[in-house]
Amino acid sequence: AQSVTQLGSHVSVSEGALVLLRCNYSSSVPPYLFWYVQYPNQGLQLLLKYTTGATLVKGINGFEAEFKKSETSFHLTKPSAHMSDAAEYFCAVIPSYNTDKLIFGTGTRLQVFP
Amino acid sequence: AAGVIQSPRHLIKEKRETATLKCYPIPRHDTVYWYQQGPGQDPQFLISFYEKMQSDKGSIPDRFSAQQFSDYHSELNMSSLELGDSALYFCASSLKAGGPTDTQYFGPGTRLTVL
Repeated sequence: AQSVTQLGSHVSVSEGALVLLRCNYSSSVPPYLFWYVQYPNQGLQLLLKYTTGATLVKGINGFEAEFKKSETSFHLTKPSAHMSDAAEYFCAVIPSYNTDKLIFGTGTRLQVFP
Repeated sequence: AAGVIQSPRHLIKEKRETATLKCYPIPRHDTVYWYQQGPGQDPQFLISFYEKMQSDKGSIPDRFSAQQFSDYHSELNMSSLELGDSALYFCASSLKAGGPTDTQYFGPGTRLTVL
């Protein structure tokens, strides 16, 4: 079965520090990969997605992620954390060509300290 | 810009009651998805519709049914509610122009509490 693993259910960083949220996937075919952010009491907002082409994907709010097929990873990074980045982050995959349902990881809660 | 609208935002029901959740997709979007997010859990895909036809089905209980109407809005009907149905229910919509990579835009969710 296709799955997504997010290492670390909680990540804490200081404001201005590097943000690194880890995501690994298992898929028998090249997947489509997504990062969503969920602020408290709100819906999910797409940060970025990888479908084909360039493996380094830039998203909103200064986030980016790199698709590494050899490592089956799609880690999310941001050079400098801001207090407003505190939220829940979900990595998701569409694992095959004949479906468009998202399979989510268990999420990582990012805390940013002043 | 218009977003996905879900109603109601909050719903409290007793066990064995029924509930209807509504979703109004972004204008001109033709595909609707339903996801269920239990407390502290990741969202789980329930069902999707494209052009008013069911396009995919996930782990949706038989007590649940859904449909997409001619105006593209969708309703999720839940009967014989159980305590375990308490969750946040998200609707998402997309324009299925290019295939599965089309972005799914999520609504704010309906929080269902079953007492």
